[in-house]
Amino acid sequence: QQPVQSPQAVILREGEDAVINCSSSKALYSVHWYRQKHGEAPVFLMILLKGGEQKGHDKISASFNEKKQQSSLYLTASQLSYSGTYFCGTEDSGGYQKVTFGTGTKLQVIP
Amino acid sequence: DAEITQSPRHKITETGRQVTLACHQTWNHNNMFWYRQDLGHGLRLIHYSYGVHDTNKGEVSDGYSVSRSNTEDLPLTLESAASSQTSVYFCASSETAYYGYTFGSGTRLTVV
Repeated sequence: QQPVQSPQAVILREGEDAVINCSSSKALYSVHWYRQKHGEAPVFLMILLKGGEQKGHDKISASFNEKKQQSSLYLTASQLSYSGTYFCGTEDSGGYQKVTFGTGTKLQVIP
Repeated sequence: DAEITQSPRHKITETGRQVTLACHQTWNHNNMFWYRQDLGHGLRLIHYSYGVHDTNKGEVSDGYSVSRSNTEDLPLTLESAASSQTSVYFCASSETAYYGYTFGSGTRLTVV
């Protein structure tokens, strides 16, 4: 079953912040985050393993609450280059390296 | 530089024809995956492989097959193409999921 992402779409002005949420009905081993620009392949941003860790990547960071089976992606001081569709992907508790992706959140940053 | 390539980039085929999409990676990754991407559905897993001669069905495997005869290639075959299989197909590979997947550039398939 695919994880559920929210919101489905968001429009930001440069410099604003955004949060994208991802939740699953299954126990999770890890959560991945990817960004896909229009007409291109998805690109890996980061992975979070169970243990409640938080990771950062420039001004993009994420958290993982394994008890709630939820992850959030935080985009701070957004830039035009952040525009794209963000996908979370989840690995079930078995950790078999098979990722199930959510339906995506389309983010548009405008000047 | 290592890479993952898909071919063709675009293909139009007729209903009922057999079609094979190629995926070739030079990362020497054991894990390879095929996803299809459709509006509103995100990326859905079709088939995957953890190594040579290993293949497994994903959530939307009906009408598709794969075979893995070497580390580099995982071709995806549509046995009898249907209009519902019109989609963008992405191949991905990984050594371990910890380092994320590397995706190919995709194949846009149209079945008419």
